[in-house]
Amino acid sequence: AQSVAQPEDQVNVAEGNPLTVKCTYSVSGNPYLFWYVQYPNRGLQFLLKYITGDNLVKGSYGFEAEFNKSQTSFHLKKPSALVSDSALYFCALSNTGKLIFGQGTTLQVKP
Amino acid sequence: DGGITQSPKYLFRKEGQNVTLSCEQNLNHDAMYWYRQDPGQGLRLIYYSQIVNDFQKGDIAEGYSVSREKKESFPLTVTSAQKNPTAFYLCASFQAGYTFGSGTRLTVV
Repeated sequence: AQSVAQPEDQVNVAEGNPLTVKCTYSVSGNPYLFWYVQYPNRGLQFLLKYITGDNLVKGSYGFEAEFNKSQTSFHLKKPSALVSDSALYFCALSNTGKLIFGQGTTLQVKP
Repeated sequence: DGGITQSPKYLFRKEGQNVTLSCEQNLNHDAMYWYRQDPGQGLRLIYYSQIVNDFQKGDIAEGYSVSREKKESFPLTVTSAQKNPTAFYLCASFQAGYTFGSGTRLTVV
């Protein structure tokens, strides 16, 4: 069965520090992996995706993610966090025409 | 501008009443999806449709119904059989990439 796990409910980081939001997945076959961000009472905004090619994917707002096939992970990273990055982040997997989400991680960036 | 429109943004209904949530897209996307979002549970797939006049159940379809009579429209009906309907509902479409609507927050009292 396909699944996505985000092991941390919340990540706290100081502004200017690097941030990592973790994601692991389980799938048979090649995964299409995504990261989305959600602000309160809003829809999801696309950040980046991995389909094939380079394992390091660069996306919107300075975010990047590294695909690691051996560890079945797709962690989201940013070198220097901003207070405005505070939001709910979702990792997602698409394999059979459906998008399957992790449970979400709340990122709190403190000034 | 192309996009997905969900209406209304907030919806209140009495327990036992059916309610229909609207989702319209002008992206010419073939596939459309409905997700339910609850705190701490992420987004769960209710129904999806990959082509007009066809749709499939997702992981939590019980108590919901959909139709796909037009490519642009994929309305979701929350029936009285849905035991805990209060939630945030998100519609999405797909063609090369996923696009999400801004959501409808349904509160049943």
